[in-house]
Amino acid sequence: DAMVIQNPRYQVTQFGKPVTLSCSQTLNHNVMYWYQQKSSQAPKLLFHYYDKDFNNEADTPDNFQSRRPNTSFCFLDIRSPGLGDAAMYLCATSSLLTGSYEQYFGPGTRLTVT
Amino acid sequence: AQTVTQSQPEMSVQEAETVTLSCTYDTSESDYYLFWYKQPPSRQMILVIRQEAYKQQNATENRFSVNFQKAAKSFSLKISDSQLGDAAMYFCAYPNAYSGAGSYQLTFGKGTKLSVIP
Repeated sequence: DAMVIQNPRYQVTQFGKPVTLSCSQTLNHNVMYWYQQKSSQAPKLLFHYYDKDFNNEADTPDNFQSRRPNTSFCFLDIRSPGLGDAAMYLCATSSLLTGSYEQYFGPGTRLTVT
Repeated sequence: AQTVTQSQPEMSVQEAETVTLSCTYDTSESDYYLFWYKQPPSRQMILVIRQEAYKQQNATENRFSVNFQKAAKSFSLKISDSQLGDAAMYFCAYPNAYSGAGSYQLTFGKGTKLSVIP
């Protein structure tokens, strides 16, 4: 089945130690999104790639970066994680070729900062 | 700017009964989509149902249906014959296109946590 895959599902990092979360997709969608979701809150969009074009949300901290080396993969880099960055990170994809504006989500990576 | 409001932070329903989750939104667009997403405790967000604003008919997907009132900007989700597996956070969402189209931001409501009582 075509899907959005996130690795790892659980990640523990130390305060200030860089960490990378990965997302891959077999849907061949041209848009990939990264969201941060804290407990009992709605997901908050950090940034997205439209093909190779990177689009950062205005309130996304500089501590968060992203890379998309090809259509299938997208990475979220947190350069110096703080305790406030502990959250679930969701990757999603979309394509107008699907005929709707639906986004397809991965299972998420739960990040713990110690 | 588009906004999405879910006024019920938590709801509960007896198994096999029917429950309705409310959502209102604000937009100046005339044609758009609306979504209900479900996020169970395993946390994978999945699409429950979508509605296209230009369609008069309310969308249905098995036990899930919507009551779409375009003039009132209301988009409620009805779950019939509730099952234990329906317990989850439910988010109402509106896709906002970025300039140039092709990609868009989902504006989510704050969510409604649904509990199903056996």
